Amino acid sequence: EVQLVGSGGVVVHPGGSLRLSCAASGFIFDDYTMHWVRQAPGKGLEWVSLINWDGSDTYYADSVKGRFTISRDNSKNSLYLQMNSLTTEDTALYYCAKDSGHYYGAYYFDYWGLGTQVTVSS
Amino acid sequence: DIQMTQSPSSLSASVGDRVTITCRASQGIRSYLAWYQQKPGKVPNLLIYAASTLHSGVPSRFSGSGSGTDFTLTISSLQPEDVATYYCQNYNSAPLAFGQGTRLEIK
Repeated sequence: EVQLVGSGGVVVHPGGSLRLSCAASGFIFDDYTMHWVRQAPGKGLEWVSLINWDGSDTYYADSVKGRFTISRDNSKNSLYLQMNSLTTEDTALYYCAKDSGHYYGAYYFDYWGLGTQVTVSS
Repeated sequence: DIQMTQSPSSLSASVGDRVTITCRASQGIRSYLAWYQQKPGKVPNLLIYAASTLHSGVPSRFSGSGSGTDFTLTISSLQPEDVATYYCQNYNSAPLAFGQGTRLEIK
């Protein structure tokens, strides 16, 4: 059974930093591209970032480019999101999501974690 | 970047009704479109990919169509368990984009 378990979400002040983690199990982690998707309270889904199987390719939404860094450690079956220069606009539930494409990035999502809450507030 | 626009933003229909949600891309995306269902308080679930291919385990009352810029999600006979917000998603290329969502309620 595929499981994606997020951690690292807390309350942080504007301008602060945070690192989210997502522990994956139930599939061959390094065969798949992985994504972060977020959802602000009462709002829709927003794709944040993706990383290919070996970390050599990454993409970001314009809203986080230059502030967020996605990474992965295939030896630990883990995905990360380093978030810097946080603003109140970054307050959201952050989902880690598995790409559906095996060996290649299909860029749509067949499994989602339960989400990690990030609140940016003074 | 490609923008995705869904309509309507919300709708209310009766059990057994045929329901259609539309999604328009700001430029052509061939058939690189997925639909997700998010029930209240739950994680999104994949319904359809490649514009019209039903994901494993999804009831056959759901169907998708379209290519290029205009797409539709249809529920042939609305059931109470279909109350949810539905999102389309372009996956033609990064940056990826979701529509703003369509909230579906039962009358």
